[in-house]
Amino acid sequence: EDQVTQSPEALRLQEGESSSLNCSYTVSGLRGLFWYRQDPGKGPEFLFTLYSAGEEKEKERLKATLTKKESFLHITAPKPEDSATYLCAVLSWGKLQFGAGTQVVVTP
Amino acid sequence: DVKVTQSSRYLVKRTGEKVFLECVQDMDHENMFWYRQDPGLGLRLIYFSYDVKMKEKGDIPEGYSVSREKKERFSLILESASTNQTSMYLCASSLSGTEQFFGPGTRLTVL
Repeated sequence: EDQVTQSPEALRLQEGESSSLNCSYTVSGLRGLFWYRQDPGKGPEFLFTLYSAGEEKEKERLKATLTKKESFLHITAPKPEDSATYLCAVLSWGKLQFGAGTQVVVTP
Repeated sequence: DVKVTQSSRYLVKRTGEKVFLECVQDMDHENMFWYRQDPGLGLRLIYFSYDVKMKEKGDIPEGYSVSREKKERFSLILESASTNQTSMYLCASSLSGTEQFFGPGTRLTVL
């Protein structure tokens, strides 16, 4: 059965303290891995798509990487506005399978 | 930019009522999706549609139905609302094989 697991469940960072979030997956027929950011009470906001192992994407303080079994979202020198829940999802057989998310809190 | 809009941000209904949630996208996407999101359970797919008048069951279709009469509009219907359908409902759209874009969500409370 397809599975997407994110760790840690929650992460508390000081402003400027870099860290990484993990998304591991076991799916058949992977057609892409997606990262989203979700603020409380809002819909997920698309961040990145990764299609093949070794691929990397960057946006401001965020960098996503992909291997054959997992993806990492690196947050470099985070700011309080980076506080959110980060979701990863894998596209398999036309449907997205989501992980439970990592809630990130960045304190000044 | 892709815009996905949902008819209501907040909705309060009574048990047994028929509830319609509407979603409209403006990017000519062929795929549209309905999810519900609950604490600890994450996003779960209810129904999706690859084309007008087509629909496919997702992981939790029981108690729901959908309608897609026009390409830009996808409706979720709760035939007889129950308290266990209290949730955040999210609509999304995409081109085939690409990222999904989400609407702002509808927080539904069933009393």
